[in-house]
Amino acid sequence: DSGVTQTPKHLITATGQRVTLRCSPRSGDLSVYWYQQSLDQGLQFLIQYYNGEERAKGNILERFSAQQFPDLHSELNLSSLELGDSALYFCASSVEGGSNQETQYFGPGTRLLVL
Amino acid sequence: GQNIDQPTEMTATEGAIVQINCTYQTSGFNGLFWYQQHAGEAPTFLSYNVLDGLEEKGRFSSFLSRSKGYSYLLLKELQMKDSASYLCAVRGLGSGGYQKVTFGTGTKLQVIP
Repeated sequence: DSGVTQTPKHLITATGQRVTLRCSPRSGDLSVYWYQQSLDQGLQFLIQYYNGEERAKGNILERFSAQQFPDLHSELNLSSLELGDSALYFCASSVEGGSNQETQYFGPGTRLLVL
Repeated sequence: GQNIDQPTEMTATEGAIVQINCTYQTSGFNGLFWYQQHAGEAPTFLSYNVLDGLEEKGRFSSFLSRSKGYSYLLLKELQMKDSASYLCAVRGLGSGGYQKVTFGTGTKLQVIP
């Protein structure tokens, strides 16, 4: 158990819908990262937040958005869903988000299926 | 930007030794990570290298050569449970001046009896 929690574990929805994925980082971690992993694909970095502010942006679609709240939990919003958005979405957290020897700890992931 | 290259698949025999290579290109290199990921599960941290040389941790060792942009993960005394994907990840300079970690696509290792 990494200490990072994600809800829900599984989500099934239809094309065109909107969903929200939630992540709670490890206690004391200020940075949250979101990744998308499609079947047999690598981890695609989406976005990083540090202490409530956006720190880095990866290949995140305009239909996707995220935020980090004052209590440091984060939400990833996916809208106008398409079949190709079906994937595992991982959240990871780290203490600061860039210092030496800093490790990202991953949550169990949310498996999204768009029908 | 950052570019990471590792083999897609490897097969090795139980009890043997396997070496998984990773080559990378990045600006502002500041560390290389190896993660293990079993199918459908979250990646878990294995090792971290920022200086040249070998870091040993039980059955797993990781090597780094910064001048060559090269790392490898060495797994000894392979067990069936080692069948998983092994992800190489590099930290470097991203846009905005902050550090950014980029993951490779992973090497799927199959351990056979």
